[in-house]
Amino acid sequence: DGGITQSPKYLFRKEGQNVTLSCEQNLNHDAMYWYRQDPGQGLRLIYYSQIVNDFQKGDIAEGYSVSREKKESFPLTVTSAQKNPTAFYLCASKPGTGAYEQYFGPGTRLTVT
Amino acid sequence: ILNVEQSPQSLHVQEGDSTNFTCSFPSSNFYALHWYRWETAKSPEALFVMTLNGDEKKKGRISATLNTKEGYSYLYIKGSQPEDSATYLCAPGVVGGNEKLTFGTGTRLTIIP
Repeated sequence: DGGITQSPKYLFRKEGQNVTLSCEQNLNHDAMYWYRQDPGQGLRLIYYSQIVNDFQKGDIAEGYSVSREKKESFPLTVTSAQKNPTAFYLCASKPGTGAYEQYFGPGTRLTVT
Repeated sequence: ILNVEQSPQSLHVQEGDSTNFTCSFPSSNFYALHWYRWETAKSPEALFVMTLNGDEKKKGRISATLNTKEGYSYLYIKGSQPEDSATYLCAPGVVGGNEKLTFGTGTRLTIIP
């Protein structure tokens, strides 16, 4: 079955620790995205990558880092510099450039205490 | 960051009734308008991607229209069913925006059996 997987579903960390959220897709999509959702807000773009070995900051990139070494993988690291890391994180992908729909993963809920 | 407004924020509709809601966005530099449905405990799922002024798209009982000159899109659901209960998100993209989408906060639809 083709799709996007995110793991784990729930993640708990202590303040001051970096944590990496996994996103894998087997759809052969070029573009991948990381969004964050907070209560009462729309999905906000953290980072995106349109091709392997290239990525751009989204609207709220501060305190986050990404890598895109393989087409199918786009891990997101939430660093200790992120002031408010507790949130629901969604990964998405789309085939490439153009007005294509995005395909979303199931999400990871990160709680930092 | 684009100003995207969705109204109403939430809506309760009797099963069998029809309903509609609105997405407003800046009309300048318009590129594409996406609609997604997000059911509880599932991933957001694309409904439509629309690019042309006057576009109308339909998927079963759900349809959408697009006015890029005035910057709005309507989503219509005919004969609502319980499985239509979800949050409906719209997301416009702009020319030169590197295909980034800006998501609205959504309309949460609850169908009352």
